[in-house]
Amino acid sequence: NAGVTQTPKFQVLKTGQSMTLQCAQDMNHNSMYWYRQDPGMGLRLIYYSASEGTTDKGEVPNGYNVSRLNKREFSLRLESAAPSQTSVYFCASSVTGANVLTFGAGSRLTVL
Amino acid sequence: KNEVEQSPQNLTAQEGEFITINCSYSVGISALHWLQQHPGGGIVSLFMLSSGKKKHGRLIATINIQEKHSSLHITASHPRDSAVYICAVMYTGNQFYFGTGTSLTVIP
Repeated sequence: NAGVTQTPKFQVLKTGQSMTLQCAQDMNHNSMYWYRQDPGMGLRLIYYSASEGTTDKGEVPNGYNVSRLNKREFSLRLESAAPSQTSVYFCASSVTGANVLTFGAGSRLTVL
Repeated sequence: KNEVEQSPQNLTAQEGEFITINCSYSVGISALHWLQQHPGGGIVSLFMLSSGKKKHGRLIATINIQEKHSSLHITASHPRDSAVYICAVMYTGNQFYFGTGTSLTVIP
């Protein structure tokens, strides 16, 4: 039982390049989330998906797009990376009612 | 605004000490999680609370719904407890809100 799997774990981009962070969960969770974590700040929500086929903006959505491909997968895309997007990104999933919250291992992104 | 406040921000303890980390939130919640993050590592959920108290080994989590406050206690602290502890709450809807974390260092 893998839980939440994120790829890649590390990535270095140049300003303007694009990339997609992949996330998959095998726990049949309805809700999936993308967060970024920056020093001195709490986890901040980028986008979330309450169910397959739906996505909603979080606190810091600018510069990102997401796709909820199916119930298992939720990807985060940076179309034109900027240095301000240097961060650690976490995917998470939960069941309705929030009694379970599971995180991926994180993806460290550096934009030069 | 849905705010989550944690205290202290940083905590250093001697091995064996009893530790308390506090979390306050601003309005009624449907769930509260205590999370643990080791350096360079992922984030794991230690407890989910909606009322009362839960215990797992040397960790105890309590919540007071009326006072909008939760505490995480660690008894007989050990260097392996050194980590960042994060409080996360869910209000209505599907979004979690996070405190900035408490960085705990336990010295042998």
